[in-house]
Amino acid sequence: EVQLVESGGGLVKPGGSLRLSCAASGFTFSSNSMNWVRQAPGKGLEWVSSIASNSGYIYYADSVKGRFTISRDNAKNSLYLQMKGLRAEDTAVYFCAKNFGLARYFDYWGQGTLVTVSS
Amino acid sequence: EIVLTQSPATLSLSPGERATLSCRASQSVSSDLAWYQQKPGQAPRLLIYDASNRAPGIPARFSGSGSGTDFTLTISSLEPEDFAVYYCQQRSNWPPFGGGTKVEIK
Repeated sequence: EVQLVESGGGLVKPGGSLRLSCAASGFTFSSNSMNWVRQAPGKGLEWVSSIASNSGYIYYADSVKGRFTISRDNAKNSLYLQMKGLRAEDTAVYFCAKNFGLARYFDYWGQGTLVTVSS
Repeated sequence: EIVLTQSPATLSLSPGERATLSCRASQSVSSDLAWYQQKPGQAPRLLIYDASNRAPGIPARFSGSGSGTDFTLTISSLEPEDFAVYYCQQRSNWPPFGGGTKVEIK
């Protein structure tokens, strides 16, 4: 059974940093591109970042470029999102999501971790 | 950037009725479009990919159609568990999602 479990969310002050993790199991993590998608309270889905299976390509939404860094450790079956310079508008539930095969659709999602940016 | 516009924002229907949701792209995305369902407090669930293919385990009452710029998700007969928010997503460019359509009980 595919499982994605996010952790690392919490309350942080504006300008602060946080590192999210996503532990994957039940599939060959090293063969799949992975993604972070967020959802602000009461709002829609916003794609944040994607990373190829071998970290060969990395993409970011304009809203987080230069502040967030996606990475992965295939030996640990883990995905990460380092967030710096956090703003109130980064407040959201952050989901990690697995690519559906080679396509940029998302077939498995974690339960999400809440990041709250507030003073 | 490709913008996806979903309509209506809210659809009020009764169980057993047919639901028709629209997603319009600002430029052609060929058939590179997916639909997701999200219930409160849950992660999204992939329903349809490549415009018309049901994802594994998705009931046959869900169907997708369209290509280019106009897409439709149809739920043939609403079950109580189908009341949720539905998002479209394109993969032709770095994927934005549409703004969502809420299907609520009338």
